[in-house]
Amino acid sequence: SQTIHQWPATLVQPVGSPLSLECTVEGTSNPNLYWYRQAAGRGLQLLFYSVGIGQISSEVPQNLSASRPQDRQFILSSKKLLLSDSGFYLCAWSHRGRNTGELFFGEGSRLTVL
Amino acid sequence: QKEVEQDPGPLSVPEGAIVSLNCTYSNSAFQYFMWYRQYSRKGPELLMYTYSSGNKEDGRFTAQVDKSSKYISLFIRDSQPSDSATYLCAMSGGTVRFGAGTRLTVKP
Repeated sequence: SQTIHQWPATLVQPVGSPLSLECTVEGTSNPNLYWYRQAAGRGLQLLFYSVGIGQISSEVPQNLSASRPQDRQFILSSKKLLLSDSGFYLCAWSHRGRNTGELFFGEGSRLTVL
Repeated sequence: QKEVEQDPGPLSVPEGAIVSLNCTYSNSAFQYFMWYRQYSRKGPELLMYTYSSGNKEDGRFTAQVDKSSKYISLFIRDSQPSDSATYLCAMSGGTVRFGAGTRLTVKP
């Protein structure tokens, strides 16, 4: 069966510090990978998605970047965090070639920027 | 206008009640309609999935899609305290778009 791991689960970072969130998927090959941010009362905002190694599409220009160094690894980064980067970050995957909206989410990473 | 509109609630009902959750949308290209359930401090999990208009039933849950009205619903029968969660509607015509989520509490 497929599983998705996301870490760290919780982190508190000062403004201006760097960020790295990691996500790995097991039990499937060539998945589509996604990073979402969830703010209270605003639903899920798509930040980045990837259909293959090194292929990253950005939905919203911002202080964050994403990379996909391996087929089942997806990394969200920032060089300098802003207060507005606080939120609940979710990694997700879907089957390659299926545009049905069926997404499988990780447990999330709660980021607080102070 | 947002592509997907969902009343964030909160919604509180007694155990055993029928719950109705709804979303409206504006993009006619949406073909796939989903409901995700998210427990506190967890990632969302897919609850119901429907293609195009019609009804789909799974146990106590029924999803309805009315494409002519751009309106989707999720009904929960005989609601249980374990149903307390945030319910997010989602739609796809390529890229998935989510509603804001409705926070539901079922009181024993």
